Amino acid sequence: SQQGEEDPQALSIQEGENATMNCSYKTSINNLQWYRQNSGRGLVHLILIRSNEREKHSGRLRVTLDTSKKSSSLLITASRAADTASYFCATDANDYKLSFGAGTTVTVRA
Amino acid sequence: SAVISQKPSRDICQRGTSLTIQCQVDSQVTMMFWYRQQPGQSLTLIATANQGSEATYESGFVIDKFPISRPNLTFSTLTVSNMSPEDSSIYLCSATLRENIQYFGAGTRLSVL
Repeated sequence: SQQGEEDPQALSIQEGENATMNCSYKTSINNLQWYRQNSGRGLVHLILIRSNEREKHSGRLRVTLDTSKKSSSLLITASRAADTASYFCATDANDYKLSFGAGTTVTVRA
Repeated sequence: SAVISQKPSRDICQRGTSLTIQCQVDSQVTMMFWYRQQPGQSLTLIATANQGSEATYESGFVIDKFPISRPNLTFSTLTVSNMSPEDSSIYLCSATLRENIQYFGAGTRLSVL
């Protein structure tokens, strides 16, 4: 089932700019993950943040988690054309399944 | 990490026929998942496939329509049976390793005429 809600639904930015997208969820979680999906392809795991973590970095990615507000954000810095994709948050509510959000479609203009 | 090979990548089928999608993992995994994704939409979980037991189906999906096999720890199949145009979608398989991180196949784009 879909637990996460993401905003914005779509985002268009210039190459070199930063892109920020948000995810809100409803129940307590074990961890929250972000995935990228290029057009016509499967999802690729980007980063995982545990419920006891507040911020995590991986290359040009920065993820924050606020469990009191049940929300997370993904920041992509210095965007490139190759970052054009759909981004999904997914929550692990301590069972074996992930619940995926609706996704944010990011377009990076050259 | 894991590499997931999924095939076919796409197919066009006639209504009333069945299609079997295969998913091969390059390492042994306990859990595999099958999803459906409409273009521009999120993923909907169809079922979870564990080796040695029957698949667990989500609400709205039944075994007669989507039979799943899981003969060993590296392979699974999903069959879409008695297809109708409403079954046109992208079907994705995934496998989970540590910390419930899922690794996905490239997907099967199915069109039913």
